Amino acid sequence: DIQMTQSPSSLSASVGDRVTITCRASLNIARYLNWYHQKPGKAPKLLIYAASTLQSGVPSRFSGSGSGTDFTLTISSLQPEDFATYYCQQSYSALYTFGQGTKLEIK
Amino acid sequence: QVQFVESGGGVVQPGGSLRLSCAASGFTFSSYGMHWVRQAPGKGLEWVAFIGSDGSNKYYADSVKGRFTISRDNSKNTVYLQMNSLRPEDTALYYCAKDRGMATISFDYWGQGTLGTVSS
Repeated sequence: DIQMTQSPSSLSASVGDRVTITCRASLNIARYLNWYHQKPGKAPKLLIYAASTLQSGVPSRFSGSGSGTDFTLTISSLQPEDFATYYCQQSYSALYTFGQGTKLEIK
Repeated sequence: QVQFVESGGGVVQPGGSLRLSCAASGFTFSSYGMHWVRQAPGKGLEWVAFIGSDGSNKYYADSVKGRFTISRDNSKNTVYLQMNSLRPEDTALYYCAKDRGMATISFDYWGQGTLGTVSS
């Protein structure tokens, strides 16, 4: 199975900050990488697919990059609604594993 | 708009069974693959199962293989998850999710989840 490891596990930041979350795959997954966020009590929401393509309706302050084993999600200027838990997910193999999550909290 | 109504969750003893349902609306159900994803209380997301648009392709997480069965009825716009031989570690909120349906797999719409609790 492909293991997905996110870092950091938690992060404190302020409104307006630039934030980067990293996801590492245990083997080469090309660009088969998705990002989601989840707010407490809500279902996850797709932000980015295929490593860098913004899902329709997602604000442009979100961006994704990377290929192979190393990927990043960047939020260029944090807004109050961005405080949530973020998950990466690989879609290279048909066991669509998620990372363990990164909890983004208000400083 | 895309909507899902999930049902079938509840409390069951270890070794018991549950059948989850997810009724979809707002899109052409028969054209898209569907997934089940679960989240144990206070934990992260775990993909559980996938079924292709016509039901011919099915994949399962190793943790549920041989115990869970995914199926769909395109005439009822509904996807199911039959869960047998349940264990306490299967306790989770179970989400159905629509596959985005393009060249790469991703989950673009999610239900609100139905809670399955396995406890004696």
